[in-house]
Amino acid sequence: DAGVIQSPRHEVTEMGQEVTLRCKPISGHNSLFWYRQTMMRGLELLIYFNNNVPIDDSGMPEDRFSAKMPNASFSTLKIQPSEPRDSAVYFCASSSSGTTGELFFGEGSRLTVL
Amino acid sequence: KQEVTQIPAALSVPEGENLVLNCSFTDSAIYNLQWFRQDPGKGLTSLLLIQSSQREQTSGRLNASLDKSSGRSTLYIAASQPGDSATYLCAVYQGAQKLVFGQGTRLTINP
Repeated sequence: DAGVIQSPRHEVTEMGQEVTLRCKPISGHNSLFWYRQTMMRGLELLIYFNNNVPIDDSGMPEDRFSAKMPNASFSTLKIQPSEPRDSAVYFCASSSSGTTGELFFGEGSRLTVL
Repeated sequence: KQEVTQIPAALSVPEGENLVLNCSFTDSAIYNLQWFRQDPGKGLTSLLLIQSSQREQTSGRLNASLDKSSGRSTLYIAASQPGDSATYLCAVYQGAQKLVFGQGTRLTINP
């Protein structure tokens, strides 16, 4: 299996621009998670989906952030408009709730907002 | 609110030593606990998953224990090697799927 695939791996953009991060979970996994990692706050859960339905978005920092999962093999995290404080590494992870729930992470998307 | 603490924040030891990384959590009503490894600029690699009914898990030179009643887990690394240098993260499952992470222990193994 190819694992969780994220794109882009690196994104540099200017304040105010729209940013879209993409994720392809492991085939057969029915749960998908978006995390953000910063030096100050560590890893924070932003939102997670079960069977393509958002279950908990309490970690989404504000309305500038939105996430979608139109089908079982694709999800996006969008930031519009972006701000310098959004600079972080964004991780996507997936799991199969039918087993032990073990979480598998992608390589992350490093976002820099100038 | 669940809080996960990892001590120490950083650890440097000579190659060949056995070592223990510590993780503590405030709410013992956890589902599972998972240890991860993160190399610089990389994603998280799952090392061991301990289900709530288990007390320990082993994989090669790694052994993780879980004591829910005291809110503690340890990761034991035997015969450390320079390739073990990385940040090790502990995470507890609140419910079946929501993970809460510690801040990690940055481990350096000196040749």
